[in-house]
Amino acid sequence: DAKTTQPPSMDCAEGRAANLPCNHSTISGNEYVYWYRQIHSQGPQYIIHGLKNNETNEMASLIITEDRKSSTLILPHATLRDTAVYYCIVRKIGANSKLTFGKGITLSVRP
Amino acid sequence: GAGVSQSPRYKVAKRGQDVALRCDPISGHVSLFWYQQALGQGPEFLTYFQNEAQLDKSGLPSDRFFAERPEGSVSTLKIQRTQQEDSAVYLCASSLLLAGGYNEQFFGPGTRLTVL
Repeated sequence: DAKTTQPPSMDCAEGRAANLPCNHSTISGNEYVYWYRQIHSQGPQYIIHGLKNNETNEMASLIITEDRKSSTLILPHATLRDTAVYYCIVRKIGANSKLTFGKGITLSVRP
Repeated sequence: GAGVSQSPRYKVAKRGQDVALRCDPISGHVSLFWYQQALGQGPEFLTYFQNEAQLDKSGLPSDRFFAERPEGSVSTLKIQRTQQEDSAVYLCASSLLLAGGYNEQFFGPGTRLTVL
Protein backbone atom coordinates (compact mmCIF):
# COMPACT_ATOMS: atom_id res chain seq x y z
CA ASP A 1 0.00 0.00 0.00
CA ALA A 2 1.13 3.53 -0.75
CA LYS A 3 2.60 5.62 2.06
CA THR A 4 0.86 8.70 3.44
CA THR A 5 2.30 11.86 4.97
CA GLN A 6 0.47 14.02 7.50
CA PRO A 7 1.60 16.98 9.64
CA PRO A 8 1.97 15.95 13.28
CA SER A 9 -0.61 18.28 14.75
CA MET A 10 -3.02 21.12 14.25
CA ASP A 11 -5.69 22.92 16.19
CA CYS A 12 -8.89 24.75 15.45
CA ALA A 13 -11.57 26.66 17.31
CA GLU A 14 -14.78 24.97 18.32
CA GLY A 15 -17.51 25.53 15.76
CA ARG A 16 -15.08 26.22 12.93
CA ALA A 17 -14.19 23.88 10.12
CA ALA A 18 -11.17 21.64 10.61
CA ASN A 19 -9.27 20.83 7.40
CA LEU A 20 -6.85 17.94 7.80
CA PRO A 21 -4.39 17.43 4.92
CA CYS A 22 -2.80 14.23 3.70
CA ASN A 23 -0.24 13.54 0.98
CA HIS A 24 -0.21 10.22 -0.85
CA SER A 25 1.85 10.98 -3.93
CA THR A 26 2.57 7.32 -4.76
CA ILE A 27 -1.06 6.20 -4.69
CA SER A 28 -1.99 3.84 -7.49
CA GLY A 29 -5.17 3.61 -9.49
CA ASN A 30 -6.57 0.68 -7.51
CA GLU A 31 -6.16 2.25 -4.06
CA TYR A 32 -8.71 4.04 -1.93
CA VAL A 33 -8.06 6.78 0.61
CA TYR A 34 -9.47 6.03 4.07
CA TRP A 35 -9.67 8.10 7.21
CA TYR A 36 -9.93 6.75 10.72
CA ARG A 37 -9.72 8.60 14.01
CA GLN A 38 -8.74 7.54 17.51
CA ILE A 39 -10.06 9.34 20.53
CA HIS A 40 -7.94 8.99 23.65
CA SER A 41 -8.14 5.52 25.24
CA GLN A 42 -10.44 4.18 22.52
CA GLY A 43 -9.92 2.03 19.45
CA PRO A 44 -9.77 3.64 16.00
CA GLN A 45 -13.08 4.56 14.39
CA TYR A 46 -13.84 4.62 10.67
CA ILE A 47 -14.77 8.04 9.30
CA ILE A 48 -14.92 7.99 5.49
CA HIS A 49 -13.26 6.67 2.37
CA GLY A 50 -13.05 7.60 -1.32
CA LEU A 51 -11.45 6.72 -4.64
CA LYS A 52 -11.42 9.85 -6.78
CA ASN A 53 -14.69 11.66 -6.24
CA ASN A 54 -15.39 13.84 -3.24
CA GLU A 55 -17.37 12.08 -0.56
CA THR A 56 -19.58 13.29 2.28
CA ASN A 57 -21.28 11.54 5.16
CA GLU A 58 -22.72 12.53 8.51
CA MET A 59 -19.28 12.83 10.06
CA ALA A 60 -17.11 14.53 7.47
CA SER A 61 -16.28 15.37 3.87
CA LEU A 62 -13.35 14.01 1.90
CA ILE A 63 -11.86 16.10 -0.88
CA ILE A 64 -9.42 14.28 -3.20
CA THR A 65 -7.35 16.26 -5.70
CA GLU A 66 -7.76 15.49 -9.38
CA ASP A 67 -4.33 13.85 -9.58
CA ARG A 68 -5.19 11.86 -6.41
CA LYS A 69 -1.85 12.71 -4.84
CA SER A 70 -3.38 14.45 -1.86
CA SER A 71 -6.63 14.75 0.03
CA THR A 72 -8.28 16.79 2.78
CA LEU A 73 -10.63 15.61 5.48
CA ILE A 74 -13.06 18.32 6.48
CA LEU A 75 -14.95 18.39 9.77
CA PRO A 76 -17.42 21.19 9.00
CA HIS A 77 -18.19 22.28 12.57
CA ALA A 78 -15.58 20.94 14.95
CA THR A 79 -16.58 20.19 18.54
CA LEU A 80 -14.46 19.42 21.60
CA ARG A 81 -15.34 15.74 21.10
CA ASP A 82 -13.54 15.79 17.75
CA THR A 83 -10.20 16.13 19.55
CA ALA A 84 -8.39 12.96 18.45
CA VAL A 85 -5.62 11.50 16.30
CA TYR A 86 -6.71 11.27 12.67
CA TYR A 87 -5.14 8.67 10.39
CA CYS A 88 -5.06 8.88 6.61
CA ILE A 89 -4.60 5.40 5.09
CA VAL A 90 -4.27 4.14 1.53
CA ARG A 91 -5.58 0.66 0.80
CA LYS A 92 -6.27 -1.48 -2.26
CA ILE A 93 -9.78 -1.71 -3.69
CA GLY A 94 -11.77 -4.76 -2.65
CA ALA A 95 -9.15 -5.95 -0.24
CA ASN A 96 -10.06 -7.22 3.16
CA SER A 97 -6.56 -6.59 4.24
CA LYS A 98 -4.80 -5.01 7.15
CA LEU A 99 -4.80 -1.28 7.73
CA THR A 100 -1.39 0.38 7.66
CA PHE A 101 -1.48 3.30 10.07
CA GLY A 102 1.15 6.03 10.24
CA LYS A 103 1.50 8.38 13.18
CA GLY A 104 -1.54 10.40 12.15
CA ILE A 105 -2.31 14.02 12.88
CA THR A 106 -3.37 15.14 16.34
CA LEU A 107 -6.28 17.54 16.11
CA SER A 108 -6.92 19.70 19.17
CA VAL A 109 -10.21 21.58 19.21
CA ARG A 110 -10.07 24.56 21.55
CA PRO A 111 -13.11 26.15 23.22
CA GLY B 1 -25.92 -4.81 18.77
CA ALA B 2 -22.79 -4.93 20.86
CA GLY B 3 -19.49 -3.83 19.42
CA VAL B 4 -16.13 -5.54 19.66
CA SER B 5 -15.20 -6.27 23.24
CA GLN B 6 -11.80 -7.07 24.69
CA SER B 7 -10.71 -8.37 28.06
CA PRO B 8 -9.03 -7.60 30.27
CA ARG B 9 -8.91 -3.86 29.64
CA TYR B 10 -5.70 -3.59 31.63
CA LYS B 11 -3.07 -6.21 32.38
CA VAL B 12 0.11 -5.90 34.40
CA ALA B 13 2.58 -8.74 34.08
CA LYS B 14 5.98 -9.42 35.50
CA ARG B 15 8.69 -10.01 32.95
CA GLY B 16 8.72 -13.65 31.97
CA GLN B 17 5.05 -14.30 32.67
CA ASP B 18 2.64 -15.58 30.03
CA VAL B 19 -0.47 -13.54 29.23
CA ALA B 20 -3.67 -14.20 27.27
CA LEU B 21 -5.76 -11.43 25.76
CA ARG B 22 -9.30 -12.08 24.61
CA CYS B 23 -11.31 -10.56 21.77
CA ASP B 24 -15.05 -10.98 21.20
CA PRO B 25 -15.83 -9.76 17.68
CA ILE B 26 -19.17 -8.52 16.42
CA SER B 27 -21.46 -11.49 15.81
CA GLY B 28 -21.31 -12.68 12.22
CA HIS B 29 -18.06 -10.94 11.38
CA VAL B 30 -15.88 -13.32 9.42
CA SER B 31 -12.66 -11.34 9.57
CA LEU B 32 -10.68 -10.62 12.72
CA PHE B 33 -7.48 -8.58 13.07
CA TRP B 34 -5.03 -7.98 15.90
CA TYR B 35 -2.93 -4.81 16.08
CA GLN B 36 -0.26 -3.62 18.52
CA GLN B 37 -0.03 0.07 19.42
CA ALA B 38 3.05 1.38 21.21
CA LEU B 39 2.83 4.65 23.08
CA GLY B 40 2.67 7.61 20.70
CA GLN B 41 2.52 5.43 17.59
CA GLY B 42 -0.21 4.28 15.25
CA PRO B 43 -1.47 0.70 15.47
CA GLU B 44 0.64 -1.94 13.73
CA PHE B 45 -0.77 -5.11 12.22
CA LEU B 46 -0.05 -8.40 13.96
CA THR B 47 -2.27 -11.10 12.45
CA TYR B 48 -5.48 -11.77 10.50
CA PHE B 49 -8.12 -14.53 10.70
CA GLN B 50 -10.84 -15.42 8.25
CA ASN B 51 -13.21 -17.56 10.30
CA GLU B 52 -10.91 -19.99 12.12
CA ALA B 53 -8.13 -19.83 9.56
CA GLN B 54 -5.12 -17.66 10.32
CA LEU B 55 -4.37 -16.29 6.87
CA ASP B 56 -1.67 -13.78 7.74
CA LYS B 57 0.63 -13.73 10.74
CA SER B 58 3.39 -11.70 9.15
CA GLY B 59 3.19 -8.98 11.80
CA LEU B 60 3.81 -11.16 14.84
CA PRO B 61 7.12 -9.84 16.23
CA SER B 62 8.47 -13.13 17.55
CA ASP B 63 7.59 -16.75 18.16
CA ARG B 64 6.55 -15.76 21.67
CA PHE B 65 3.36 -14.36 20.13
CA PHE B 66 0.60 -16.78 19.25
CA ALA B 67 -3.01 -16.19 18.22
CA GLU B 68 -5.94 -18.52 17.74
CA ARG B 69 -9.60 -18.44 16.81
CA PRO B 70 -10.64 -22.10 17.08
CA GLU B 71 -14.38 -21.76 16.42
CA GLY B 72 -14.26 -18.75 14.16
CA SER B 73 -15.61 -16.31 16.72
CA VAL B 74 -13.69 -15.46 19.91
CA SER B 75 -9.96 -15.00 19.48
CA THR B 76 -7.10 -15.13 21.96
CA LEU B 77 -3.70 -13.51 21.60
CA LYS B 78 -1.13 -15.19 23.80
CA ILE B 79 2.28 -13.79 24.65
CA GLN B 80 4.76 -16.12 26.28
CA ARG B 81 7.65 -15.03 28.47
CA THR B 82 6.67 -11.39 28.29
CA GLN B 83 9.37 -8.75 27.87
CA GLN B 84 9.28 -5.04 28.64
CA GLU B 85 9.17 -4.22 24.94
CA ASP B 86 5.81 -6.05 24.74
CA SER B 87 4.21 -3.23 26.74
CA ALA B 88 1.59 -1.72 24.43
CA VAL B 89 -2.11 -1.52 23.73
CA TYR B 90 -3.36 -4.58 21.86
CA LEU B 91 -6.31 -3.81 19.61
CA CYS B 92 -8.72 -6.25 18.04
CA ALA B 93 -10.89 -5.41 15.02
CA SER B 94 -13.54 -7.36 13.14
CA SER B 95 -15.29 -6.91 9.83
CA LEU B 96 -17.65 -8.57 7.41
CA LEU B 97 -16.25 -10.14 4.27
CA LEU B 98 -18.30 -8.73 1.41
CA ALA B 99 -16.91 -9.39 -2.04
CA GLY B 100 -15.83 -6.39 -4.07
CA GLY B 101 -16.45 -3.71 -1.50
CA TYR B 102 -14.88 -2.02 1.45
CA ASN B 103 -15.34 -3.91 4.67
CA GLU B 104 -15.15 -1.45 7.53
CA GLN B 105 -13.08 -2.63 10.45
CA PHE B 106 -14.70 -2.13 13.84
CA PHE B 107 -12.22 -1.83 16.68
CA GLY B 108 -12.47 -2.82 20.30
CA PRO B 109 -11.24 -0.58 23.13
CA GLY B 110 -7.97 -2.48 23.42
CA THR B 111 -6.06 -4.16 26.22
CA ARG B 112 -3.27 -2.11 27.76
CA LEU B 113 -0.44 -4.48 28.69
CA THR B 114 2.29 -3.28 31.03
CA VAL B 115 5.27 -5.55 31.60
CA LEU B 116 7.33 -4.73 34.67
